[in-house]
Amino acid sequence: KQEVTQIPAALSVPEGENLVLNCSFTDSAIYNLQWFRQDPGKGLTSLLLIQSSQREQTSGRLNASLDKSSGRSTLYIAASQPGDSATYLCAVRNTGGFKTIFGAGTRLFVKA
Amino acid sequence: ETGVTQTPRHLVMGMTNKKSLKCEQHLGHNAMYWYKQSAKKPLELMFVYSLEERVENNSVPSRFSPECPNSSHLFLHLHTLQPEDSALYLCASSQKLARDNEQFFGPGTRLTVL
Repeated sequence: KQEVTQIPAALSVPEGENLVLNCSFTDSAIYNLQWFRQDPGKGLTSLLLIQSSQREQTSGRLNASLDKSSGRSTLYIAASQPGDSATYLCAVRNTGGFKTIFGAGTRLFVKA
Repeated sequence: ETGVTQTPRHLVMGMTNKKSLKCEQHLGHNAMYWYKQSAKKPLELMFVYSLEERVENNSVPSRFSPECPNSSHLFLHLHTLQPEDSALYLCASSQKLARDNEQFFGPGTRLTVL
């Protein structure tokens, strides 16, 4: 049974700092991995989608890497800003079935 | 309206009430999903519909009843809920039911059961 873990559960950093959020999964037979952002009380916004054959994806100040063999993904945020404050969710889609398994998220607070 | 919309955004109901949540997608997608997000727990997939047919029912209690009258609309009918059903209910859609398809989420309905 696939399990997705995100560390840390919460993170507070000063503005301008580079930071890394971690995601690990127990079953390496994944089809893809997706990072989402969720603002308080709101829905999810997709940030980056990495297919299982890919090693990383980049969008602006965000870079996500995937190491399928070790069951790990990282989301790197460069030059953090107060507007980056949100919960970041990692989700994997297994090779069998339609289910997407989510982690519990990392709550990020960037101080001005 | 664009993307995925959900109404109402907030709902408070008693345990004996019957209510419905509505989701509408304006993206021309063929697959729609209901998720439940409880406090401090990961999102849980509840139901999946593809071309108006339910393809997954993730062991959800019968007090939750989904309905998909067409590929643009998805409902979640609620009756005799319990306080532990209080959560954020999120709807999502994807172009088709394929593993490489990105899911687009609505803003959610915050449900409180008294």
